[in-house]
Amino acid sequence: NAGVTQTPKFQVLKTGQSMTLQCAQDMNHNSMYWYRQDPGMGLRLIYYSASEGTTDKGEVPNGYNVSRLNKREFSLRLESAAPSQTSVYFCASSDRARDEQYFGPGTRLTVT
Amino acid sequence: AQSVTQLGSHVSVSEGALVLLRCNYSSSVPPYLFWYVQYPNQGLQLLLKYTTGATLVKGINGFEAEFKKSETSFHLTKPSAHMSDAAEYFCAVTKGNFNKFYFGSGTKLNVKP
Repeated sequence: NAGVTQTPKFQVLKTGQSMTLQCAQDMNHNSMYWYRQDPGMGLRLIYYSASEGTTDKGEVPNGYNVSRLNKREFSLRLESAAPSQTSVYFCASSDRARDEQYFGPGTRLTVT
Repeated sequence: AQSVTQLGSHVSVSEGALVLLRCNYSSSVPPYLFWYVQYPNQGLQLLLKYTTGATLVKGINGFEAEFKKSETSFHLTKPSAHMSDAAEYFCAVTKGNFNKFYFGSGTKLNVKP
């Protein structure tokens, strides 16, 4: 039982490049989330998916897109990376929206 | 409007001393409240949560928190700090439709020998 897995662990992009961050969970959870963590700002919700087939914007969605591919997988795409998107990205999942969330190990992204 | 406020971005205590990490929330509806811990280069792990019922909640590693509605607070305490408690701690709240979690900005706990 791996929990929540994220790939890649580290990534360096040049401004304007695109990439997709992958997330998968094996706990049969309904809800999945993408956060970014920046120093002194805690975690900010980018997008979430309350159930398979649905996605909604969070607090900071600009510059990102998501896909809930199936119940297990929830990907985050940066179409044209900007230095302001340098951050640590965490994926999380929960059984129901009000339940505790389980976090992946994070992806450290640097945009130069 | 800020949903969760954590007072003190850095807290330093001596080993064996009381740990008190403060969290205040803003909510017009009953919230669900959580404390998470993050060790360096890792994801967040749940310490404890308050949903309904008993307002004093016990979590892992000897931590506990008390939900005080009148003070809109959910402070985290531990009677005796251990070196292994050094980490960053986040308070979080979910409310309303519960689809969104709001995290505080975090408090880094340093434990001195």
